[in-house]
Amino acid sequence: KAGVTQTPRYLIKTRGQQVTLSCSPISGHRSVSWYQQTPGQGLQFLFEYFSETQRNKGNFPGRFSGRQFSNSRSEMNVSTLELGDSALYLCASSPTRGGTGELFFGEGSRLTVL
Amino acid sequence: SQQGEEDPQALSIQEGENATMNCSYKTSINNLQWYRQNSGRGLVHLILIRSNEREKHSGRLRVTLDTSKKSSSLLITASRAADTASYFCAFFTPETSGSRLTFGEGTQLTVNP
Repeated sequence: KAGVTQTPRYLIKTRGQQVTLSCSPISGHRSVSWYQQTPGQGLQFLFEYFSETQRNKGNFPGRFSGRQFSNSRSEMNVSTLELGDSALYLCASSPTRGGTGELFFGEGSRLTVL
Repeated sequence: SQQGEEDPQALSIQEGENATMNCSYKTSINNLQWYRQNSGRGLVHLILIRSNEREKHSGRLRVTLDTSKKSSSLLITASRAADTASYFCAFFTPETSGSRLTFGEGTQLTVNP
């Protein structure tokens, strides 16, 4: 069974630009969540999607958005990039919601904002 | 802000030694999990312990949970150089719904050959 796939793995943007990151969950997994990892703030929850609906959102500005498609693939978008958005963005999937089991993480997308 | 704290922040040991990492949290939890992250890579789930369990084993891993002290520990026995990684505790809380994990700050483990 293929794992969680994130693309692109690395990207460089400049301040003010926008970026879209993609996540393909494990086949059959319907919940996709996103996390931001930075040296200063550690791992922070961004949002969760289930059945194409955002179910949960972390404490991030509106510049961070996402969506989920009918095949459970998810994208997240960051508009008007700031230097502080440089981070490793991790996507995780799970079969269901409920907060009872493990999450399966992708390798992440490393975003550098110059 | 993180609701989980881990110590030590960094740990350096020799191959064959045991490594112990500790995690403390502030809220009630449904379960507590440990993840491993190799440098710049994704997180890999290691073990999950439920709030009504006190100890759990998986291979060379032993996890304990003390809900009265709001703390957990991860013990890696007979460590290997390949165990070099960052280790994070993570948990779901009853206050948050769905697949929202709260992570600790992580312990960077270095196992010297």
